Amino acid sequence: KQEVTQIPAALSVPEGENLVLNCSFTDSAIYNLQWFRQDPGKGLTSLLLIQSSQREQTSGRLNASLDKSSGRSTLYIAASQPGDSATYLCAVRPRGGKLIFGQGTELSVKP
Amino acid sequence: DTAVSQTPKYLVTQMGNDKSIKCEQNLGHDTMYWYKQDSKKFLKIMFSYNNKELIINETVPNRFSPKSPDKAHLNLHINSLELGDSAVYFCASSQERVAGGLGETQYFGPGTRLLVL
Repeated sequence: KQEVTQIPAALSVPEGENLVLNCSFTDSAIYNLQWFRQDPGKGLTSLLLIQSSQREQTSGRLNASLDKSSGRSTLYIAASQPGDSATYLCAVRPRGGKLIFGQGTELSVKP
Repeated sequence: DTAVSQTPKYLVTQMGNDKSIKCEQNLGHDTMYWYKQDSKKFLKIMFSYNNKELIINETVPNRFSPKSPDKAHLNLHINSLELGDSAVYFCASSQERVAGGLGETQYFGPGTRLLVL
């Protein structure tokens, strides 16, 4: 049974720091992995999607990596800003269509 | 020009009532989903429809019945609401026919916050 774990559960950093969020999954037979952002009281916004054949994806200050064999993904945020404060969710998609989510990392970037 | 929209945004109701949540996507996607986010913020899929056909049905009580009149709409009807149904319900869509790239990114609606009293 696929399980997705995100560490840490919460993270507080000063503005300007580079930071890494971690995601691990127990079954490496995934189709893709997706990182989302959720603002309080809002829906999810897709940040990056990495196909199983890829090792990383970049969008602006965000870089996500995928190591399927070890069951790990990281989301790197460069030069963090207060506007980056949100909950970041990692989700893997096994073959079959359904996303399996981690419980998220709540990020707070202090000015 | 909202991509995935849900109505209502908030729903407060009494135990035992029947209620519906509507979802519409204007992205031209062929697959739609319903997710439930509980009080611990854990997101779990409930249903998935592809071109109006049910393809995923997790172990959800049969009080929950999804209905897809066309591939742009996936509504969720809940009978005999219980306290434990209180949660945020998210609708999402994706284009499953496109191989690779961002074609399979799931786009989420803003959520419907359901409170059962």
